[in-house]
Amino acid sequence: DSGVTQTPKHLITATGQRVTLRCSPRSGDLSVYWYQQSLDQGLQFLIQYYNGEERAKGNILERFSAQQFPDLHSELNLSSLELGDSALYFCASSGGSAGVFKASGTDEQFFGPGTRLTVL
Amino acid sequence: AQKITQTQPGMFVQEKEAVTLDCTYDTSDPSYGLFWYKQPSSGEMIFLIYQGSYDQQNATEGRYSLNFQKARKSANLVISASQLGDSAMYFCAMREGPNAGNNRKLIWGLGTSLAVNP
Repeated sequence: DSGVTQTPKHLITATGQRVTLRCSPRSGDLSVYWYQQSLDQGLQFLIQYYNGEERAKGNILERFSAQQFPDLHSELNLSSLELGDSALYFCASSGGSAGVFKASGTDEQFFGPGTRLTVL
Repeated sequence: AQKITQTQPGMFVQEKEAVTLDCTYDTSDPSYGLFWYKQPSSGEMIFLIYQGSYDQQNATEGRYSLNFQKARKSANLVISASQLGDSAMYFCAMREGPNAGNNRKLIWGLGTSLAVNP
């Protein structure tokens, strides 16, 4: 158990709909990352938040948005869903408290179990 | 161009033998980090090992070791004494930029599926 939680585990919806995926990082972690894993494109970085602020943006579509709340949990909103949005969406966290990194210099990301989204 | 290349879509290994999973990377940044993650059939991503670009020694974590050849831009994962539970997808990933930087996104390879035979 990584300590990162994601809900829901599975989500089945129809094209054109809007869904919200939720992530709670490990206790003390300030950074949250969202990734999309699809069969044809592998793992793609979507967006990173650090202590409530957006820090890095990847291949995130305009139909997608995210935010990180004061309690550090994060939500990924996907709207106007298309068949191609079907994928496994991962949330990861890192950073420890007050930005203190491990002595080894590693700042590995701890992944949640993922949300499997199926768009029909 | 692919930044992380894993050339072996699938690998087989006999239980208790060692196996090497290949990873080559492409970056012009002198400071970067390389990660290996394991994804079993249950879907979760499990961190295995990390190598920093300035690390003098190859990283080791239990049965996992990283054969880091900087000039060749390769970071192969070596699993010693394979176990049935090692059967999974293995992903190589890279963080460009220093560890203390703000941009900490990981760039991923397409993975290698490892099957351990009894």
